Amino acid sequence: GDSVTQMEGPVTLSEEAFLTINCTYTATGYPSLFWYVQYPGEGLQLLLKATKADDKGSNKGFEATYRKETTSFHLEKGSVQVSDSAVYFCALSDRTDSWGKLQFGAGTQVVVTP
Amino acid sequence: NAGVTQTPKFQVLKTGQSMTLQCAQDMNHNSMYWYRQDPGMGLRLIYYSASEGTTDKGEVPNGYNVSRLNKREFSLRLESAAPSQTSVYFCASTWGSNQPQHFGDGTRLSIL
Repeated sequence: GDSVTQMEGPVTLSEEAFLTINCTYTATGYPSLFWYVQYPGEGLQLLLKATKADDKGSNKGFEATYRKETTSFHLEKGSVQVSDSAVYFCALSDRTDSWGKLQFGAGTQVVVTP
Repeated sequence: NAGVTQTPKFQVLKTGQSMTLQCAQDMNHNSMYWYRQDPGMGLRLIYYSASEGTTDKGEVPNGYNVSRLNKREFSLRLESAAPSQTSVYFCASTWGSNQPQHFGDGTRLSIL
């Protein structure tokens, strides 16, 4: 079945550092890919998405490119802030699934220190 | 602009007790979902509902039941709570395939 693998955390960075969170997937079809962010005590919020190969999703300074050849969707941000401290989830949605179910990775905790 | 609303936010139960977690969305979404979140395991799908009147099992349905009361509401019931069901439960909704899901703030459930 479909699956998503993320790098383990926690990832600890200093403010203004470069952030990369690796995400790879396995899927039988051509999935849509998502990054969600979860701040402490809150639910998940959509950060960005990409629906086909070579698409780049971007939001709030974060970017991720859908790489079909490497089955990857790595999240990057050039200069993190303390407010970016959160748990980040990579997820996929199989286009053949009519019900919109998502498969999530285990999540990566990011801690940004001043 | 409420989005997805879950009640209660916190709950402590004793083993064997029952309870229902409530979820309502005001975005006229067709599909709704219940997940549980446990440390190091991401979110796992318990049940989902593609439309009013239909429900299907997800990855971890044992010990749970659901009801899609109408298009807005989707409840999750624990008939006889067990300590293994201690978790954070999230409800989500979406228009359908390939669309992002919108999440509630979660219910933190502890079973002693």
